[in-house]
Amino acid sequence: NAGVTQTPKFQVLKTGQSMTLQCAQDMNHEYMSWYRQDPGMGLRLIHYSVGAGITDQGEVPNGYNVSRSTTEDFPLRLLSAAPSQTSVYFCASTQPGVETQYFGPGTRLLVL
Amino acid sequence: DAKTTQPPSMDCAEGRAANLPCNHSTISGNEYVYWYRQIHSQGPQYIIHGLKNNETNEMASLIITEDRKSSTLILPHATLRDTAVYYCIVRVNTNAGKSTFGDGTTLTVKP
Repeated sequence: NAGVTQTPKFQVLKTGQSMTLQCAQDMNHEYMSWYRQDPGMGLRLIHYSVGAGITDQGEVPNGYNVSRSTTEDFPLRLLSAAPSQTSVYFCASTQPGVETQYFGPGTRLLVL
Repeated sequence: DAKTTQPPSMDCAEGRAANLPCNHSTISGNEYVYWYRQIHSQGPQYIIHGLKNNETNEMASLIITEDRKSSTLILPHATLRDTAVYYCIVRVNTNAGKSTFGDGTTLTVKP
């Protein structure tokens, strides 16, 4: 199992550009989540999904869109990047009855 | 999810036990205590969890007070590789996909 994979590892954007952060898991987990982590701070939940076709907002959803068309994939879209979105983004997955979330390695995003 | 309070930083000597406290005075009866750690900006890693009984696994022990308002994560023989940020999370076990992470405790293990 590759677990949770994220691409790209690092990205530089200009203000106003759009991009999609990719997240995939091969554990057949129903739950997937996106978090952001700003320097020196904990993780904050952006969006999460409890299954294909079902998504909901977390603490800090503004400026981000998600969709869940398959169990495996949960992409995060930045529609118009802003410097405030400079952060490290982590994707995680888990399953009802499984107590732990499995995290990907993160995507480091710099918005100029 | 109940709010948690952790000290921002702690030091521990290599080979000694590291005891990391967490206060969760507003915990509800169906909420579990989870501990994760994050090593050098990698993705967080699950350590242990519990409801009201003390728990032990190969990584650590979790001691929960009888009133459940606080807990302690114990790393029995800390090594330099245990230097990390440790997060205490309180939530119901059906909210596995949306854990609330605070700022955690930065544990530095020193030789």
